[in-house]
Amino acid sequence: KNQVEQSPQSLIILEGKNCTLQCNYTVSPFSNLRWYKQDTGRGPVSLTIMTFSENTKSNGRYTATLDADTKQSSLHITASQLSDSASYICVVSPNQAGTALIFGKGTTLSVSS
Amino acid sequence: EAEVAQSPRYKITEKSQAVAFWCDPISGHATLYWYRQILGQGPELLVQFQDESVVDDSQLPKDRFSAERLKGVDSTLKIQPAELGDSAMYLCASSLRAGFMPETQYFGPGTRLLVL
Repeated sequence: KNQVEQSPQSLIILEGKNCTLQCNYTVSPFSNLRWYKQDTGRGPVSLTIMTFSENTKSNGRYTATLDADTKQSSLHITASQLSDSASYICVVSPNQAGTALIFGKGTTLSVSS
Repeated sequence: EAEVAQSPRYKITEKSQAVAFWCDPISGHATLYWYRQILGQGPELLVQFQDESVVDDSQLPKDRFSAERLKGVDSTLKIQPAELGDSAMYLCASSLRAGFMPETQYFGPGTRLLVL
């Protein structure tokens, strides 16, 4: 069964600290992996999209890594800010068109001052 | 910056009533998606349109849910009759065109539905 598992379920860190969120998937075939940020009560916003040939991709303070062999991805947030408090969702697509997205349940990040 | 528009933002209804949600995608986006997100879960695809045609509605409970995109622009999702288990956030997303390259899906703010 195609699944996307994220850990930890929730995380609390101090402002200015770094953190890493994990994503393991069992989706096959695999085409691309996305990370989304979802603020409370809002729709998800795309952070990165990586195909199987890409190992890392950055978007400002967000850096995503992908190991297609072990079917793992991580999202690293550098120098966290209060505005980073949100749910971070890992999404995997089995096709090139990027449809039929399989969503993880998300990691809820709380950044405190 | 162009955004996906949804209305209403919040809807409270009683079970067995009919509800309808509206979505206006980003101009020029051919592909439109409706998702349902239960609290604490990731979004689940209900239906995908390419222009005015449905390309995937395999997860849409067709006995009570319907969706249309008559002119290939805006879209309406309807539930009739609503059930308690339909309480969720309904998200609309659009992308330029689902094709051979992974397209970014842009999400609207969602409609939060509460069925009493």
